[in-house]
Amino acid sequence: AQSVTQLDSHVSVSEGTPVLLRCNYSSSYSPSLFWYVQHPNKGLQLLLKYTSAATLVKGINGFEAEFKKSETSFHLTKPSAHMSDAAEYFCVVSDFTGGGNKLTFGTGTQLKVEL
Amino acid sequence: GAGVSQSPSNKVTEKGKDVELRCDPISGHTALYWYRQSLGQGLEFLIYFQGNSAPDKSGLPSDRFSAERTGGSVSTLTIQRTQQEDSAVYLCASSRGLMADTQYFGPGTRLTVL
Repeated sequence: AQSVTQLDSHVSVSEGTPVLLRCNYSSSYSPSLFWYVQHPNKGLQLLLKYTSAATLVKGINGFEAEFKKSETSFHLTKPSAHMSDAAEYFCVVSDFTGGGNKLTFGTGTQLKVEL
Repeated sequence: GAGVSQSPSNKVTEKGKDVELRCDPISGHTALYWYRQSLGQGLEFLIYFQGNSAPDKSGLPSDRFSAERTGGSVSTLTIQRTQQEDSAVYLCASSRGLMADTQYFGPGTRLTVL
């Protein structure tokens, strides 16, 4: 079965400093990986996805993630945090068993951005 | 265009009552998913519909949970004899149906069982 582990439940950064949200995956085959963001009382929004094309994936709002097979990692980064980035971030892996595209979510990382 | 919509946005019910939650997917999307987000379990898959195929019910936590999708569009998730542990946010997502295609999520229905 596919799974993802988000290594930090909470991350706090100052506005203008880099963001790093860590994710490790476990998959029996070449995975499809995603990062979703959830702002308070809002729905889940896709930030970016990796589907075996380029290993460096660029997403919305300046976020990007790098797929590293040797490290089984898919960390999310942003060079400079903005106050509006404060939200919960989920690393997600696809599970194609049964013919569908069921998503398996990590436990989430709450990002706090301080002035 | 219109995104995934869900209704009601909030539902408060008494233990033992039945509830129905509705999802309207994006027009033209053939795949529809239900997920549940709760404090204890995080985000977990419940059920998946693809076109006219039999649904994948492997994530439903008990036989009190069922879902249907009429006409390949609107879906209803039904929880019978609700329990307090059913309290959660129920999220619906839809996609074009292709493998690894982006799933677009609705705003969710917050269910509170008293």
